[in-house]
Amino acid sequence: DQQVKQNSPSLSVQEGRISILNCDYTNSMFDYFLWYKKYPAEGPTFLISISSIKDKNEDGRFTVFLNKSAKHLSLHIVPSQPGDSAVYFCAGNQGGKLIFGQGTELSVKP
Amino acid sequence: DTEVIQTPKHLVMGMTNKKSLKCEQHMGHRAMYWYKQKAKKPPELMFVYSYEKLSINESVPSRFSPECPNSSLLNLHLHALQPEDSALYLCASSDRPGAGELFFGEGSRLTVL
Repeated sequence: DQQVKQNSPSLSVQEGRISILNCDYTNSMFDYFLWYKKYPAEGPTFLISISSIKDKNEDGRFTVFLNKSAKHLSLHIVPSQPGDSAVYFCAGNQGGKLIFGQGTELSVKP
Repeated sequence: DTEVIQTPKHLVMGMTNKKSLKCEQHMGHRAMYWYKQKAKKPPELMFVYSYEKLSINESVPSRFSPECPNSSLLNLHLHALQPEDSALYLCASSDRPGAGELFFGEGSRLTVL
């Protein structure tokens, strides 16, 4: 049972444009959601989070949107930069247990 | 110091060996975690320690034995592993149990022959 799903394994975007990474979930008990970024040979790095009672959280170039009725969240990166190229994991948190999605590999081309 | 340090970075062991993975953090975090990540898969939770006590064991086989000697250290003792246990083992910490923002180490890449 996959509680967190990222249906796009990869995404390619031109530098300067918007990157939109999507995530769906099935567990209504998640109390907040997080996005992590992972470069090869490194551990995941926390990027941004959103509480389940909010619908938007913004931090610089990164914005996360939450649509609870659709059980869907998305991460917007604008403008995208080549250094943003990495694997992005969406995760739901329930009582300190993070459940990760499969990840989306973002490639930002100059 | 905002690092989670894992050693060794790479480990190759036979199925009869006993080895340990180590993790250290000096951020004063009171929760520490072990995750396992296979290639092209998301990290999967194995164990959670809260205030140095094991609070979550995700039905991990007993050939993996966690230990938390103090609030800064977390070990994972390995014995009689199988080749399918080969994976990247990630340690993480958070400032309080239940907090989702985890700080991850770079991982220990384990190969079981």
